Amino acid sequence: DSGVTQTPKHLITATGQRVTLRCSPRSGDLSVYWYQQSLDQGLQFLIQYYNGEERAKGNILERFSAQQFPDLHSELNLSSLELGDSALYFCASSTRGTGAEQFFGPGTRLTVL
Amino acid sequence: AQKVTQAQTEISVVEKEDVTLDCVYETRDTTYYLFWYKQPPSGELVFLIRRNSFDEQNEISGRYSWNFQKSTSSFNFTITASQVVDSAVYFCALIPFDSWGKLQFGAGTQVVVTP
Repeated sequence: DSGVTQTPKHLITATGQRVTLRCSPRSGDLSVYWYQQSLDQGLQFLIQYYNGEERAKGNILERFSAQQFPDLHSELNLSSLELGDSALYFCASSTRGTGAEQFFGPGTRLTVL
Repeated sequence: AQKVTQAQTEISVVEKEDVTLDCVYETRDTTYYLFWYKQPPSGELVFLIRRNSFDEQNEISGRYSWNFQKSTSSFNFTITASQVVDSAVYFCALIPFDSWGKLQFGAGTQVVVTP
């Protein structure tokens, strides 16, 4: 158990819908990262927050957004969902913002029908 | 830009055999960190090791060992006396030393250990 929690574990929804994935980092970790894992793209970095501020952006679609709240939990919002958005979404956290080992949550499996 | 290559897609071994996973990386940065993660069938990503580019000492942790060779840009991982519980996908990853953001992951190597 990494100490990172993600909810929900599974999510099934329809095209065009909007969903919110939630992540609570390990106690004391200020940095939160979001990754998407799909069969064709592998593990892709989406975005990083550090102590409430966005610090790095990867291959995140404009339909996706994220934020980190004062209590350090984070949410990833996915809107206008498409079939291709079906994937495993991981949240990770680390103590430092740069170069640190990232500890991953169990993931949220999103299925878009 | 960084790139991590794990050329082996799948390796199948019989229990108690040793297995070595290759990882080759490309980066223009002179200082960086390298990582290995394990993804068992249950799906979570488990951190195994972080190695910084200053330190080329090999590391051993139980049945796991890592061989870092800066000259060949490789960071290989060996599981000695494999067990069924070692069956998983293993990912190698890289991040520049002082960089915000992403771990650059390789494509992963599936290890299948049969009894």
